[in-house]
Amino acid sequence: NAGVTQTPKFQVLKTGQSMTLQCAQDMNHEYMSWYRQDPGMGLRLIHYSVGAGITDQGEVPNGYNVSRSTTEDFPLRLLSAAPSQTSVYFCASSYRGASGDYTFGSGTRLTVV
Amino acid sequence: EDQVTQSPEALRLQEGESSSLNCSYTVSGLRGLFWYRQDPGKGPEFLFTLYSAGEEKEKERLKATLTKKESFLHITAPKPEDSATYLCAVQGPSNTGKLIFGQGTTLQVKP
Repeated sequence: NAGVTQTPKFQVLKTGQSMTLQCAQDMNHEYMSWYRQDPGMGLRLIHYSVGAGITDQGEVPNGYNVSRSTTEDFPLRLLSAAPSQTSVYFCASSYRGASGDYTFGSGTRLTVV
Repeated sequence: EDQVTQSPEALRLQEGESSSLNCSYTVSGLRGLFWYRQDPGKGPEFLFTLYSAGEEKEKERLKATLTKKESFLHITAPKPEDSATYLCAVQGPSNTGKLIFGQGTTLQVKP
């Protein structure tokens, strides 16, 4: 049972490049979310999903796209990377969102130069 | 606007010195309040869910309580392995899984 797997763990991008952060879970969780964590800002919600085919915007969605074609996968796409997107990104999943017991991945540290 | 504020930002304790972390929240229709622990370089790890004022949850040296405006995480006789950042989050009335996190309290317990 791998839990929530995020790849890559580290990434350096040049301004304007695009990339996809991968997130996969093997717990059959319906709820999945993407957060970014910046010093002094805490965790901020980017996008979330309550099931396959259903996604919605969180607090800071600009510059990011998501899709949820399967229950297991929830990739986050950076369309045109900017230095302001330098951050640590966490994917999380939960069986029942209301219980708050999300399982988080180990994070992707992204640097945009 | 839903908001979560944690205090203090940082806390240094001697081993065995009990203390409390505070989480103040403003949310229209609280569905749940959650505590997480985060170790450096890792993702947050779920600790507790509290649903209504007066509720308490315990796990080893940690005890979480909830009122209508704030939650406390009490740490009794902490050990160095309790050193971590503790995060508080709330969810509003809709069951979308949208969590609003506070900035966290970084706890350091010295032997």
